[in-house]
Amino acid sequence: DIVMTQSPDSLAVSLGERATINCKSSQSVLFSSNNKNYLAWYQQKPRQPPKLLIYWASTRESGVPDRFSGSGSGTDFTLTISSLQAEDVAVYYCQHYYNPPFSFGPGTTVDIK
Amino acid sequence: EVQLVESGGGLVQPGGSLRLSCVASGFTFSNYWMHWVRQAPGKGLVWVSRINHDGSDITYADSVKGRFTISRDNAKNTVYLQMNSLRAEDTAVYYCARDNHLRDGYNHPMDVWGQGTTVTVSS
Repeated sequence: DIVMTQSPDSLAVSLGERATINCKSSQSVLFSSNNKNYLAWYQQKPRQPPKLLIYWASTRESGVPDRFSGSGSGTDFTLTISSLQAEDVAVYYCQHYYNPPFSFGPGTTVDIK
Repeated sequence: EVQLVESGGGLVQPGGSLRLSCVASGFTFSNYWMHWVRQAPGKGLVWVSRINHDGSDITYADSVKGRFTISRDNAKNTVYLQMNSLRAEDTAVYYCARDNHLRDGYNHPMDVWGQGTTVTVSS
């Protein structure tokens, strides 16, 4: 089974500043037959379901602001919020969808400094 | 509007059973693979199970294998999660989510989620 880890556990960033979250998978989630990384990022605000932000490691879901970006390949991935807004306060999860079980990272809490 | 609505949660004693339902609307349900994901109070997300578009391909997390059964009724636009032999550690909000696997035959992320239904296992 693929194990997902995230760092840091939490971070506080000033409004307008950059937030960076790291995610690592215990084995590569790059699928050779289509050269895609099976890695997604979700945002979860309190008392709400998760919301898909990024898939294929770097493709922004429709309607997601362009201040959110994803990067990385293989086993190491990053979610960047280029200019933190108040509405970005949330927990962020990475998840692989390479093969079952489709595990999530433990989550990173982003707050305002 | 694309929507998933879960129901069936509640309070159940350890060892008891519960059946969750998730009704889909606003999209062609039979074209999507469906998942259940749970979240214990104050904890992270845990994938539980997946069913393909016609019910012929099913997978489970080890923690629920042999106790939970996922199924679907495409005529009713509904996916189910039958939960038996429930334990305290099954206490969680249970979300259903869709996966556009049929788009190209590859796994896809969960792009639409329901609001969740709460299951509490306690005596």
